[in-house]
Amino acid sequence: GAVVSQHPSWVICKSGTSVKIECRSLDFQATTMFWYRQFPKQSLMLMATSNEGSKATYEQGVEKDKFLINHASLTLSTLTVTSAHPEDSSFYICSAPNLAGLVGSYEQYFGPGTRLTVT
Amino acid sequence: SQQGEEDPQALSIQEGENATMNCSYKTSINNLQWYRQNSGRGLVHLILIRSNEREKHSGRLRVTLDTSKKSSSLLITASRAADTASYFCATGSGNTPLVFGKGTRLSVIA
Repeated sequence: GAVVSQHPSWVICKSGTSVKIECRSLDFQATTMFWYRQFPKQSLMLMATSNEGSKATYEQGVEKDKFLINHASLTLSTLTVTSAHPEDSSFYICSAPNLAGLVGSYEQYFGPGTRLTVT
Repeated sequence: SQQGEEDPQALSIQEGENATMNCSYKTSINNLQWYRQNSGRGLVHLILIRSNEREKHSGRLRVTLDTSKKSSSLLITASRAADTASYFCATGSGNTPLVFGKGTRLSVIA
């Protein structure tokens, strides 16, 4: 099946620094990718939709200047957490739908997630 | 925003017992999916049920869907310690983001 990778799998950074998380679709092209955030013992919440060749769309309450998204190619989207603070510590997961798949195939492919800890 | 609720929020059972988790959602759907997430790990897709299906099986998993009640259930039969995880239902399809329920934390005690 389709594979989506994320890098790094975990990162620890100091408060005030920036961290970049990569999401790659390995064997299909993804014009759209989704970024989710998951706090401990909570569900996944959509942060933003990353669109290749255009600006990302952000969910209400998500600061676009803090969470920079760049969909550089049809297989790569990056999320940069700028000036990270301890409250940004979370599990970040990306997903990508494979629209070139079977007609009626609704499954999205999730990356393994990135654990961000800001100290 | 989240689509709905999972019930129960936490469930603890003995190995060999069946585990049933319920999910409710708010809007019309084309399909509903169930995922498993082990602690601190990524999501594992378990099963997808389309809106015109009422029941679907996959190994020890049985999913039902009642679109009139906007609810779904996931049954895990003959549970194992390895089934310990959080389980989420999610709605959405195609090029739209998935909307997840709050999840059920299942603990299977050996």
